[in-house]
Amino acid sequence: DAKTTQPPSMDCAEGRAANLPCNHSTISGNEYVYWYRQIHSQGPQYIIHGLKNNETNEMASLIITEDRKSSTLILPHATLRDTAVYYCIVRVPKGGKLIFGQGTELSVKP
Amino acid sequence: GAGVSQTPSNKVTEKGKYVELRCDPISGHTALYWYRQSLGQGPEFLIYFQGTGAADDSGLPNDRFFAVRPEGSVSTLKIQRTERGDSAVYLCASSIGTSGYNEQFFGPGTRLTVL
Repeated sequence: DAKTTQPPSMDCAEGRAANLPCNHSTISGNEYVYWYRQIHSQGPQYIIHGLKNNETNEMASLIITEDRKSSTLILPHATLRDTAVYYCIVRVPKGGKLIFGQGTELSVKP
Repeated sequence: GAGVSQTPSNKVTEKGKYVELRCDPISGHTALYWYRQSLGQGPEFLIYFQGTGAADDSGLPNDRFFAVRPEGSVSTLKIQRTERGDSAVYLCASSIGTSGYNEQFFGPGTRLTVL
C-alpha cells in the first residue's frame, strides 16, 4: 500500500479556509485517495475520496495534482467543530482495508 | 438511518480474562472491518469480512485474537487471555462493498482496558 506523508499539526482561523496537504508519491494508477477525520473520542468520519479528478461534496473539496503524487483537502469555511485529526489514506481498489498514518491535527481557533 | 453500533462502549477486564466485543453494521452492508487504535496513534487494521467469511485477517496480532460473523451481519471480536498491551479502542466499520470507491462508516468504538 502506498504511503502518505502529512504535517503533524496545523492551525486555522475560524471562518477561513483550511488547506491540508498530503504527499503520496508512490501511489499506483488505480489507488484511491481517501480523507477521514477523527474528532476526539469518536470513530473516524468519512470526508471525501477521489481517483484522478477533483471532487467536492457538502463537507470539503479534494484537489489531486495531475501526477497524483499529492493532494489537498480544503475545508472552505472552517469552524471550531472542524478541530480534529485528519487522515489522508491511499487505498487499493479491491479489498478495502484502510492504512492510517499519523494524520494532521487541525486546530481551528476563534 | 442507524449507523454502526458497538457494544459495550467501555470494557474493563483483568489480565488473563476472555472478552468479546460486538459490532452491528449498517443494514445491508456486506463488508465489515475491525481496527484497533492505541493512544495517540491512527487506527490499525485487524481483519475484514465479506459476508460471513474473513477475507483478510492479516492484521490480527496473534492467535489470541479471533473474529466471527456467522450470519453475515453482526460480528464479534474475541480476545483470549487478555494482556495489558491489548488495551486500546477497538473500532468497527462497515461498507456496502469492498471496492476502492466504497467508503467505510465507523462506529464509536469499544474502549478496552486490561488491568
